[in-house]
Amino acid sequence: QSVLTQPPSMSAAPGQKVTISCSGSSSTIGSSYVSWYQHLPGTAPKLLIYENNKRPSGIPDRFSGSKSGTSATLGITGLQTGDEADYYCGSWDISLPGYVFGTGTKVTVL
Amino acid sequence: EVHLVESGGGLVQPGGSLRLSCAASGFTFNNYWMSWVRQAPGKGLEWVANIKQDGSEKFYVDSVKGRFTISRDNAENSLYLQMTSLRAEDTAVYYCAKKMSSSSGYDYWGHGTLVTVSS
Repeated sequence: QSVLTQPPSMSAAPGQKVTISCSGSSSTIGSSYVSWYQHLPGTAPKLLIYENNKRPSGIPDRFSGSKSGTSATLGITGLQTGDEADYYCGSWDISLPGYVFGTGTKVTVL
Repeated sequence: EVHLVESGGGLVQPGGSLRLSCAASGFTFNNYWMSWVRQAPGKGLEWVANIKQDGSEKFYVDSVKGRFTISRDNAENSLYLQMTSLRAEDTAVYYCAKKMSSSSGYDYWGHGTLVTVSS
Protein backbone atom coordinates (compact mmCIF):
# COMPACT_ATOMS: atom_id res chain seq x y z
CA GLN A 1 0.00 0.00 0.00
CA SER A 2 1.76 3.10 -1.31
CA VAL A 3 1.69 6.30 0.70
CA LEU A 4 3.12 8.38 -2.14
CA THR A 5 0.46 9.52 -4.61
CA GLN A 6 1.16 10.17 -8.29
CA PRO A 7 -1.16 10.84 -11.24
CA PRO A 8 -1.87 7.53 -13.03
CA SER A 9 -0.99 8.84 -16.46
CA MET A 10 0.31 11.81 -18.38
CA SER A 11 0.84 12.47 -22.06
CA ALA A 12 2.42 15.08 -24.27
CA ALA A 13 3.74 15.50 -27.79
CA PRO A 14 7.40 15.00 -28.70
CA GLY A 15 9.48 17.98 -27.63
CA GLN A 16 7.01 19.07 -25.01
CA LYS A 17 7.36 18.97 -21.23
CA VAL A 18 5.67 16.84 -18.60
CA THR A 19 5.68 17.40 -14.88
CA ILE A 20 4.89 14.48 -12.59
CA SER A 21 3.86 15.16 -9.01
CA CYS A 22 4.45 12.97 -5.98
CA SER A 23 2.48 13.74 -2.85
CA GLY A 24 3.58 12.34 0.50
CA SER A 25 3.49 13.27 4.14
CA SER A 26 5.63 14.51 7.01
CA SER A 27 6.89 10.97 7.65
CA THR A 28 7.93 10.36 4.05
CA ILE A 29 8.90 13.19 1.75
CA GLY A 30 8.80 15.68 4.61
CA SER A 31 11.55 13.75 6.41
CA SER A 32 13.59 12.03 3.71
CA TYR A 33 15.19 12.39 0.33
CA VAL A 34 13.14 11.66 -2.78
CA SER A 35 14.32 9.56 -5.70
CA TRP A 36 12.73 9.06 -9.11
CA TYR A 37 12.88 5.91 -11.23
CA GLN A 38 12.05 5.09 -14.83
CA HIS A 39 10.74 1.60 -15.50
CA LEU A 40 10.12 -0.05 -18.84
CA PRO A 41 8.26 -3.38 -18.62
CA GLY A 42 10.62 -6.34 -18.58
CA THR A 43 13.67 -4.28 -17.77
CA ALA A 44 15.53 -3.15 -14.67
CA PRO A 45 14.26 0.13 -13.20
CA LYS A 46 16.61 3.06 -13.74
CA LEU A 47 17.45 5.77 -11.22
CA LEU A 48 16.80 9.22 -12.71
CA ILE A 49 16.99 11.52 -9.70
CA TYR A 50 18.35 11.02 -6.19
CA GLU A 51 18.46 13.22 -3.10
CA ASN A 52 15.56 15.28 -4.46
CA ASN A 53 17.31 16.95 -7.38
CA LYS A 54 20.59 15.22 -8.28
CA ARG A 55 21.13 13.30 -11.50
CA PRO A 56 23.35 10.20 -11.68
CA SER A 57 26.02 10.29 -14.33
CA GLY A 58 24.58 9.49 -17.74
CA ILE A 59 21.13 10.90 -17.04
CA PRO A 60 20.48 13.85 -19.38
CA ASP A 61 19.59 17.25 -17.97
CA ARG A 62 16.17 16.93 -19.62
CA PHE A 63 15.26 15.21 -16.35
CA SER A 64 14.99 17.36 -13.24
CA GLY A 65 13.68 16.95 -9.73
CA SER A 66 12.49 19.23 -6.97
CA LYS A 67 10.98 18.94 -3.52
CA SER A 68 8.90 21.28 -1.43
CA GLY A 69 7.52 20.32 1.95
CA THR A 70 5.75 16.99 1.57
CA SER A 71 5.64 16.96 -2.23
CA ALA A 72 8.10 16.37 -5.02
CA THR A 73 8.11 16.85 -8.77
CA LEU A 74 9.85 15.23 -11.71
CA GLY A 75 10.15 17.29 -14.86
CA ILE A 76 10.94 15.90 -18.29
CA THR A 77 11.62 18.41 -21.04
CA GLY A 78 12.15 17.79 -24.75
CA LEU A 79 10.01 14.66 -24.55
CA GLN A 80 11.18 11.78 -26.73
CA THR A 81 9.48 8.55 -27.76
CA GLY A 82 12.09 6.70 -25.74
CA ASP A 83 10.74 8.40 -22.61
CA GLU A 84 7.54 6.33 -22.77
CA ALA A 85 7.70 4.41 -19.53
CA ASP A 86 6.38 4.17 -16.01
CA TYR A 87 7.83 6.65 -13.52
CA TYR A 88 7.95 6.17 -9.77
CA CYS A 89 8.96 8.40 -6.91
CA GLY A 90 10.41 6.82 -3.79
CA SER A 91 11.25 7.85 -0.25
CA TRP A 92 11.98 6.40 3.16
CA ASP A 93 9.03 6.37 5.55
CA ILE A 94 10.26 6.95 9.08
CA SER A 95 6.96 5.82 10.59
CA LEU A 96 7.08 2.26 9.23
CA PRO A 97 10.13 2.20 8.95
CA GLY A 98 10.56 1.20 5.35
CA TYR A 99 10.98 2.45 1.82
CA VAL A 100 7.89 3.43 -0.14
CA PHE A 101 7.34 3.91 -3.83
CA GLY A 102 4.78 6.13 -5.44
CA THR A 103 1.72 4.75 -7.19
CA GLY A 104 3.43 5.23 -10.54
CA THR A 105 2.75 7.41 -13.57
CA LYS A 106 2.58 6.09 -17.11
CA VAL A 107 3.96 8.62 -19.55
CA THR A 108 2.79 8.45 -23.15
CA VAL A 109 4.39 10.39 -25.97
CA LEU A 110 1.66 11.31 -28.43
CA GLU B 1 30.60 -2.15 -14.19
CA VAL B 2 27.95 -3.00 -11.62
CA HIS B 3 25.96 -6.17 -12.17
CA LEU B 4 23.15 -7.62 -10.10
CA VAL B 5 21.84 -10.99 -11.25
CA GLU B 6 18.86 -12.59 -9.56
CA SER B 7 18.03 -16.28 -9.63
CA GLY B 8 15.83 -18.80 -7.87
CA GLY B 9 12.40 -17.77 -9.06
CA GLY B 10 9.82 -20.24 -10.30
CA LEU B 11 6.42 -21.79 -9.76
CA VAL B 12 5.54 -22.76 -6.20
CA GLN B 13 2.32 -23.87 -4.55
CA PRO B 14 0.59 -21.76 -1.91
CA GLY B 15 2.20 -22.40 1.46
CA GLY B 16 5.47 -23.37 -0.16
CA SER B 17 8.95 -21.90 0.12
CA LEU B 18 11.51 -20.46 -2.24
CA ARG B 19 14.95 -18.92 -1.86
CA LEU B 20 16.00 -16.10 -4.15
CA SER B 21 19.64 -15.20 -4.72
CA CYS B 22 21.32 -12.12 -6.12
CA ALA B 23 24.93 -12.24 -7.31
CA ALA B 24 26.61 -8.85 -7.14
CA SER B 25 29.73 -7.66 -8.92
CA GLY B 26 31.47 -4.47 -9.95
CA PHE B 27 31.35 -2.72 -6.57
CA THR B 28 32.42 -3.27 -2.97
CA PHE B 29 29.40 -5.26 -1.86
CA ASN B 30 29.96 -4.98 1.88
CA ASN B 31 29.89 -1.16 1.73
CA TYR B 32 26.23 -0.87 0.79
CA TRP B 33 22.72 -1.50 2.03
CA MET B 34 20.91 -3.93 -0.27
CA SER B 35 17.22 -4.51 -0.89
CA TRP B 36 14.57 -6.60 -2.55
CA VAL B 37 11.79 -4.86 -4.47
CA ARG B 38 8.92 -6.59 -6.25
CA GLN B 39 6.33 -5.85 -8.89
CA ALA B 40 3.15 -7.89 -9.03
CA PRO B 41 1.47 -8.31 -12.44
CA GLY B 42 -0.20 -5.07 -13.45
CA LYS B 43 0.89 -3.34 -10.26
CA GLY B 44 3.55 -0.84 -9.23
CA LEU B 45 6.87 -1.27 -7.50
CA GLU B 46 6.76 -2.44 -3.89
CA TRP B 47 9.73 -2.41 -1.54
CA VAL B 48 10.06 -5.75 0.27
CA ALA B 49 13.13 -5.65 2.53
CA ASN B 50 16.42 -3.90 3.33
CA ILE B 51 19.60 -5.21 4.93
CA LYS B 52 22.49 -3.20 6.32
CA GLN B 53 26.07 -3.67 5.18
CA ASP B 54 26.98 -6.10 7.96
CA GLY B 55 23.53 -7.68 8.22
CA SER B 56 22.92 -6.22 11.67
CA GLU B 57 19.78 -4.32 10.66
CA LYS B 58 16.90 -5.59 8.55
CA PHE B 59 13.58 -4.02 7.66
CA TYR B 60 10.54 -5.57 6.02
CA VAL B 61 7.23 -4.47 4.53
CA ASP B 62 4.41 -5.49 6.86
CA SER B 63 2.92 -7.99 4.41
CA VAL B 64 6.01 -10.25 4.51
CA LYS B 65 7.08 -9.90 8.15
CA GLY B 66 7.46 -13.31 9.77
CA ARG B 67 7.42 -15.08 6.36
CA PHE B 68 10.40 -13.64 4.46
CA THR B 69 14.00 -13.34 5.63
CA ILE B 70 16.62 -11.20 3.94
CA SER B 71 20.27 -12.14 4.38
CA ARG B 72 23.63 -11.58 2.76
CA ASP B 73 27.01 -13.27 2.42
CA ASN B 74 29.63 -10.57 2.00
CA ALA B 75 32.35 -13.12 1.31
CA GLU B 76 30.34 -14.37 -1.67
CA ASN B 77 28.99 -10.94 -2.71
CA SER B 78 25.51 -12.38 -2.54
CA LEU B 79 22.09 -11.30 -1.32
CA TYR B 80 19.28 -13.70 -0.47
CA LEU B 81 15.57 -13.72 0.21
CA GLN B 82 14.14 -16.77 1.93
CA MET B 83 10.41 -16.85 1.32
CA THR B 84 8.10 -19.17 3.26
CA SER B 85 4.33 -19.57 3.61
CA LEU B 86 3.97 -18.13 0.14
CA ARG B 87 0.64 -16.72 -0.94
CA ALA B 88 -0.88 -15.96 -4.33
CA GLU B 89 -0.37 -12.26 -3.65
CA ASP B 90 3.39 -12.82 -3.46
CA THR B 91 3.38 -13.54 -7.18
CA ALA B 92 5.68 -10.91 -8.68
CA VAL B 93 8.94 -10.15 -10.37
CA TYR B 94 11.50 -9.75 -7.58
CA TYR B 95 14.35 -7.29 -8.10
CA CYS B 96 17.61 -7.03 -6.22
CA ALA B 97 18.66 -3.40 -5.75
CA LYS B 98 21.71 -1.58 -4.41
CA LYS B 99 21.17 1.43 -2.20
CA MET B 100 23.32 4.50 -2.89
CA SER B 101 23.58 5.32 0.81
CA SER B 102 21.56 4.78 3.96
CA SER B 103 19.41 7.82 3.20
CA SER B 104 19.25 7.74 -0.57
CA GLY B 105 17.64 5.73 -3.35
CA TYR B 106 18.58 2.68 -5.43
CA ASP B 107 21.16 3.28 -8.13
CA TYR B 108 21.51 -0.23 -9.54
CA TRP B 109 18.93 -2.92 -10.11
CA GLY B 110 18.92 -6.44 -11.45
CA HIS B 111 16.60 -7.58 -14.21
CA GLY B 112 14.47 -9.54 -11.81
CA THR B 113 13.31 -13.10 -11.26
CA LEU B 114 9.67 -14.17 -11.53
CA VAL B 115 7.98 -15.90 -8.62
CA THR B 116 4.58 -17.44 -9.31
CA VAL B 117 2.54 -18.80 -6.43
CA SER B 118 -0.24 -21.00 -7.76
CA SER B 119 -1.72 -24.44 -7.36
